[in-house]
Amino acid sequence: DAGVIQSPRHEVTEMGQEVTLRCKPISGHNSLFWYRQTMMRGLELLIYFNNNVPIDDSGMPEDRFSAKMPNASFSTLKIQPSEPRDSAVYFCASSYSPGQGFKYEQYFGPGTRLTVT
Amino acid sequence: AQSVTQLGSHVSVSEGALVLLRCNYSSSVPPYLFWYVQYPNQGLQLLLKYTSAATLVKGINGFEAEFKKSETSFHLTKPSAHMSDAAEYFCAVVKGSSNTGKLIFGQGTTLQVKP
Repeated sequence: DAGVIQSPRHEVTEMGQEVTLRCKPISGHNSLFWYRQTMMRGLELLIYFNNNVPIDDSGMPEDRFSAKMPNASFSTLKIQPSEPRDSAVYFCASSYSPGQGFKYEQYFGPGTRLTVT
Repeated sequence: AQSVTQLGSHVSVSEGALVLLRCNYSSSVPPYLFWYVQYPNQGLQLLLKYTSAATLVKGINGFEAEFKKSETSFHLTKPSAHMSDAAEYFCAVVKGSSNTGKLIFGQGTTLQVKP
């Protein structure tokens, strides 16, 4: 069974450009999470969807970041315009949660390494 | 408020030696605690989790962790390190309600295994 799929695996872009990161969760999972990992700040939760509905986006850094989940099998994280400080590894994770919340195992994708020059 | 502290950003052990990675949490309610492992250039993988059942939790790859409420600790151990255990390990706690709270990760501990 395929795990969480993220694309692209690597993205290099120039400051000011729009960046779109994609995620396909594990089939049957109903919760999806976007995380950002940097040396300085570690792993940070950006946004959390449950049954395709955004539940908590308080971790989204600013209005330049947006995330959507149009259906149960696809989500995007968009940065527009991108800045050098957005350089990080972005992880998508999914879980099956009978209720909302984080007590259920999350399965992580391989991540997208974003470099903004 | 719940948070988690991992003591030691780098731990080095010899192959075959005991592995001990430390994690302390602060929580005002019974916590849900997790250990995840991250191999180079990969996402995180769950090693084990504590959800208020048995205090000694066994995970994959021979790892286990003991929940000690009196010490607010959830240290990860493995009796005998293997070269393949070299990775970064993250302790995490659910912050807030288990149904609506967030998963807060520690800063991570890099485990080096020497031959």
